[in-house]
Amino acid sequence: GENVEQHPSTLSVQEGDSAVIKCTYSDSASNYFPWYKQELGKGPQLIIDIRSNVGEKKDQRIAVTLNKTAKHFSLHITETQPEDSAVYFCAAFDSGTYKYIFGTGTRLKVLA
Amino acid sequence: DSGVTQTPKHLITATGQRVTLRCSPRSGDLSVYWYQQSLDQGLQFLIHYYNGEERAKGNILERFSAQQFPDLHSELNLSSLELGDSALYFCASSPPGTGSWVKQFFGPGTRLTVL
Repeated sequence: GENVEQHPSTLSVQEGDSAVIKCTYSDSASNYFPWYKQELGKGPQLIIDIRSNVGEKKDQRIAVTLNKTAKHFSLHITETQPEDSAVYFCAAFDSGTYKYIFGTGTRLKVLA
Repeated sequence: DSGVTQTPKHLITATGQRVTLRCSPRSGDLSVYWYQQSLDQGLQFLIHYYNGEERAKGNILERFSAQQFPDLHSELNLSSLELGDSALYFCASSPPGTGSWVKQFFGPGTRLTVL
């Protein structure tokens, strides 16, 4: 079945710097890749997503890139702010099995 | 606020007991997914229902069961509880998309503590 690996597990950056989180997936049938932000005590919140027929998508300070050949996708956050501090999860969706498989999460700390 | 509601917010019970967690999806959504998140762990997919029917199963224990009712709310039943079942349980819903990809929206979760 699908397996999603996420790196790094923790990431500390200075306010204003960029942060990059990377995920790899194993099943080429996966065709949709969302990213979620989870703040302490809350449920995961969808922040950006990308479909397999798109290589890059941007929404203000957040961007996601997808390399289907290498089976990896990345989240890029520019001009980080303290409120970006949270745990970020990547996921891969297999439309054949209707399953989302999540990465293990990255704890991002933005230092003021 | 995602529009997905879950009750109760917190649940404390003893080993061997049975509990029921409830989820109401966003208005118009037909799919409900259940996930388990243990301390400092990722999200483990348990089960997916679409319009009352089971669509996909993940690593759900036999002691756990779920159902989706005609009004589309869902319940996750956990029985013969063990200490290791202590976790956050999330429900998510998604709209009736084409099936090739669908956005998933999470509820606030139920924190289960088994003593």
